[in-house]
Amino acid sequence: KAGVTQTPRYLIKTRGQQVTLSCSPISGHRSVSWYQQTPGQGLQFLFEYFSETQRNKGNFPGRFSGRQFSNSRSEMNVSTLELGDSALYLCASSLAGGQGEKLFFGSGTQLSVL
Amino acid sequence: GESVGLHLPTLSVQEGDNSIINCAYSNSASDYFIWYKQESGKGPQFIIDIRSNMDKRQGQRVTVLLNKTVKHLSLQIAATQPGDSAVYFCAETFSGSARQLTFGSGTQLTVLP
Repeated sequence: KAGVTQTPRYLIKTRGQQVTLSCSPISGHRSVSWYQQTPGQGLQFLFEYFSETQRNKGNFPGRFSGRQFSNSRSEMNVSTLELGDSALYLCASSLAGGQGEKLFFGSGTQLSVL
Repeated sequence: GESVGLHLPTLSVQEGDNSIINCAYSNSASDYFIWYKQESGKGPQFIIDIRSNMDKRQGQRVTVLLNKTVKHLSLQIAATQPGDSAVYFCAETFSGSARQLTFGSGTQLTVLP
């Protein structure tokens, strides 16, 4: 069974640009969450989607957005990139997002903003 | 906001010894806790979890202890192996936001030969 797949693996952008990251969850998983990981702030929750609906959102500015498609694949978008957006963006999936379900993480997309 | 914190940023142990990684949490509403392992270049990997109605749970070579009185969580790894070298994170959540995990800052475990 394939794991959580994130593309691209690495990305370099410049300030002011926008970026779209993609996540394919494990087959059968309908909940997808996104996290940002930086050396300074650690792992921080961005948002969670289930059945194409955003169920939960972390404390990030509106420049960070996401969506989920009918096949449970998810994308997140960051507009007007800032230097501080440089981070590892992790996607995680679970069956239905219920507490107690194991969360499976992808290897992440390393975003560098120059 | 409230967050989960770790007592030590780094831990070095001899191969074969037992490791203990500690975590302090501050949100008294948290009722579900998870330990993750993150190796270089990979995403966090689930190790073990525990609910607030338990104080101990055992897995294969790992044990998690929960002390709600002092809001403390620990991960014990028995007979530590070189493959255990990684960063370990504790995470917490509460029933109202099952998928919104709050992670600790992480502990780098290094296993010495």
